[in-house]
Amino acid sequence: DQQVKQNSPSLSVQEGRISILNCDYTNSMFDYFLWYKKYPAEGPTFLISISSIKDKNEDGRFTVFLNKSAKHLSLHIVPSQPGDSAVYFCAATGGGTYKYIFGTGTRLKVLA
Amino acid sequence: EPEVTQTPSHQVTQMGQEVILRCVPISNHLYFYWYRQILGQKVEFLVSFYNNEISEKSEIFDDQFSVERPDGSNFTLKIRSTKLEDSAMYFCASSLGQGQLFFGEGSRLTVL
Repeated sequence: DQQVKQNSPSLSVQEGRISILNCDYTNSMFDYFLWYKKYPAEGPTFLISISSIKDKNEDGRFTVFLNKSAKHLSLHIVPSQPGDSAVYFCAATGGGTYKYIFGTGTRLKVLA
Repeated sequence: EPEVTQTPSHQVTQMGQEVILRCVPISNHLYFYWYRQILGQKVEFLVSFYNNEISEKSEIFDDQFSVERPDGSNFTLKIRSTKLEDSAMYFCASSLGQGQLFFGEGSRLTVL
């Protein structure tokens, strides 16, 4: 049962442009969402999160948007930099559990 | 900045052998987790641990797996009799509750 889905396995973007990574979830009980960045052979690194009481959260170049009715969240990176090239995972938790469910990941490549 | 530390970084073992992966979570954290990532695949939840007991576990976490917090600082994952399909990166994580999940750098397990 894939409760958190990232339908784009990869994305290529030119340096300086916007990167948009998408994530869909099925469990309406999820109330907290996170984005992580991961390099090969390293642990996931937290980027940004959002609570279900908000629809947007911004931190520097990173903005997360949440559309609860569509059960969809997205991560915007503006401007994209070559160092942003990594695999990005969205994660969700809530509904009386502290278990975090991760999506399948999107590999972002920012081209110089 | 506090961090989650894991040892060993890489372990090679023969099929059928027992393996113990060790983690030192962030000291004031309350929730502890093990996740794994088979090469190129998603980050999969294995088990969560709170108040000295397992709070949730996935279907992957069968009788071959066990977790322990033996001394109030270490958090270990034991695989009693390893199988080839246990080869993966194992990530320990900790949190205060619902909020950011902090990951270690991972332990790569190779079962031959």
